[in-house]
Amino acid sequence: DIVMTQSPLSLPVTPGEPASISCRSSQSLLYSNGYNYLDWYLQKPGQSPQLLIYWASIRASGVPDRFSGSGSGTDFTLKISRVEAEDVGVYYCMQAIHRLTFGGGTKVEIK
Amino acid sequence: EVKLVESGGGLVQPGGSLRLSCAASGFTFNKYWMSWVRQAPGKGPEWVANIKEDGSDKDYVDSVKGRFTIFRDNAKTSTYLQMSSLRVEDTAVYYCVSQTVPTNWGQGTLVIVSS
Repeated sequence: DIVMTQSPLSLPVTPGEPASISCRSSQSLLYSNGYNYLDWYLQKPGQSPQLLIYWASIRASGVPDRFSGSGSGTDFTLKISRVEAEDVGVYYCMQAIHRLTFGGGTKVEIK
Repeated sequence: EVKLVESGGGLVQPGGSLRLSCAASGFTFNKYWMSWVRQAPGKGPEWVANIKEDGSDKDYVDSVKGRFTIFRDNAKTSTYLQMSSLRVEDTAVYYCVSQTVPTNWGQGTLVIVSS
């Protein structure tokens, strides 16, 4: 199975400051169609995960442009240009090239 | 708009059975793989099973093989998860996920396995 490794585990942030989360996969997520099958999700307490980014870098509908995704192959990054209070929660990366597997999560909280 | 609505969760004793259902709408159901993903309390999501567009191929996480069965009815645009020999560690919110681009998730249905 493809193993997804996220870091950091916990990320205290200051509103207005940038934040970055890393995700590495044990195998390449680049499919033959040229797309990386890597999604980013934010899960707020009591809610289902909400999609932020798919295909590694495409923002889902309605997602603010302060969120961006980058990377290819096995190394990916989610960036928040200026953190807002509503961005707190647990962020997960997920690969969808073979089955679905998830990173361990990064808990983002306000300092 | 894609909608996935799960149902069928509840409280069941260890060793018992339960069938989860997922009603899908808003996309061409018979053209996409479907998955079930679960999330135990305080844990991250875990993929459980998936099924090919025509139901001809199915895959399961090792911990549920031989106990869970995924199937689908394309005429009803629905997918199902038949769970038997349930264990305490199967307690989780179960989500239906469409492997569309982008992926879509339902709101989940809670399964509690407890005596």
